[in-house]
Amino acid sequence: GESVGLHLPTLSVQEGDNSIINCAYSNSASDYFIWYKQESGKGPQFIIDIRSNMDKRQGQRVTVLLNKTVKHLSLQIAATQPGDSAVYFCAERASGGSYIPTFGRGTSLIVHP
Amino acid sequence: DAMVIQNPRYQVTQFGKPVTLSCSQTLNHNVMYWYQQKSSQAPKLLFHYYDKDFNNEADTPDNFQSRRPNTSFCFLDIRSPGLGDAAMYLCATSRGSGGAKNIQYFGAGTRLSVL
Repeated sequence: GESVGLHLPTLSVQEGDNSIINCAYSNSASDYFIWYKQESGKGPQFIIDIRSNMDKRQGQRVTVLLNKTVKHLSLQIAATQPGDSAVYFCAERASGGSYIPTFGRGTSLIVHP
Repeated sequence: DAMVIQNPRYQVTQFGKPVTLSCSQTLNHNVMYWYQQKSSQAPKLLFHYYDKDFNNEADTPDNFQSRRPNTSFCFLDIRSPGLGDAAMYLCATSRGSGGAKNIQYFGAGTRLSVL
C-alpha cells in the first residue's frame, strides 16, 4: 500500500475569518510563483500567480504577497468559507533553470463552520 | 467541462502486473506532465512531453514509461507495479514555457492500488 506521508502543516480557521498561508522558498533565482488549491480526491487547481517584479497581486477574495528579501510568499484568503478547505501548494520557477515550477510542501486549510 | 481527463479514476492492479493510465486534453496545450502524489505530499514530477520531446526526471524509476501518440493523449505505463507505486497519479498540461504559460491544468487523477 501507500507509504505514510509526512504530516502537512495545518491551519484551522473559523468560517468568515481571514486565512494566511505561508510559503518559504530558497532559490533567489526564482522569478515566478503560483498558488494551487487541491481539494480532497482532486487534482491541484490554479488560484493565482505572481512574478518577481511585483510584491502584491489580488484576485477574487485572494491576495498573494511576495517578499523577495526574505524569500517568502503568502496567500491571503478573505472571509474564508468551508469550500476553501483544501491543501494549498505554492510552486516556484527559477529563471535560467527548468521552465517547470517546483511544488512546495503544502498546507492543509481546515475551515470550521 | 473537464479539460484534462484521466481514466480510470480508480485502478486496482496486482503486484507485478503491468498497468496503463491514460490522460487526454482538450486544451491543445504543448506540454503534458505525469506526476505521482502520495498522501500528504506534494506532487512529484515523473516526466513530461514538450510536444513530442520526452523529458524524464533523473530519479524516475525505469519501471515508469510514457507515450504521447498525439497532442491530445498521453499514457503512463507501469511495467511491474510494486507496493510502493500505490499512489495518486496526476496528469497536467501547460501551454509551454515562460510566465503564465507555466500554469498547469491538472486532471482529477487516477488512484492506483497495488495488491
